[in-house]
Amino acid sequence: GQQLNQSPQSMFIQEGEDVSMNCTSSSIFNTWLWYKQDPGEGPVLLIALYKAGELTSNGRLTAQFGITRKDSFLNISASIPSDVGIYFCAGLTQGGSEKLVFGKGTKLTVNP
Amino acid sequence: DSGVTQTPKHLITATGQRVTLRCSPRSGDLSVYWYQQSLDQGLQFLIQYYNGEERAKGNILERFSAQQFPDLHSELNLSSLELGDSALYFCASSVDGSGTWLFFGEGSRLTVL
Repeated sequence: GQQLNQSPQSMFIQEGEDVSMNCTSSSIFNTWLWYKQDPGEGPVLLIALYKAGELTSNGRLTAQFGITRKDSFLNISASIPSDVGIYFCAGLTQGGSEKLVFGKGTKLTVNP
Repeated sequence: DSGVTQTPKHLITATGQRVTLRCSPRSGDLSVYWYQQSLDQGLQFLIQYYNGEERAKGNILERFSAQQFPDLHSELNLSSLELGDSALYFCASSVDGSGTWLFFGEGSRLTVL
């Protein structure tokens, strides 16, 4: 089946540093989504990308939909302690939840 | 607060038992999704309902079943539980069934001993 390879698996950074994580697949997706899961909470949608090449920002977060439609990246600038959590990418091929595939997540730790 | 309510938050039970997890979607959302999150497996899609009817099925075991009721709340039934069923079970809801804008509940943590 379709799989998303998300990297890195975990990151340990200092407050103020920029962060970059990415997601790749051998399959093409029509939509890329980035979610964040805080400890003890459910995932929350951060950014949705709908077109190849699209670059979208949400505050200190920036995400891009790869030109090949097989990858996406998420950047976080000037990290702060509350950025701690697990970041998931998800790809959607077409309408229908059976096609929403999640990566295994990137666990981010920010040291003050 | 996503507006999606899941109960119970924690559940400890023994192998072979049966449990029911409950989900109330956000007000106005017609579609409910169930996901399983194990330690190393990420979020695995189980099943989706839209306005009371099953819309899509993922990697849901035959021992598991779900339904969505007329008031749009949903229940996930897990039977003949095994140790490997221990996981976080998330419910998510969306206005339509497109799978894009999902709002997740806080999850039900199931521990099978």
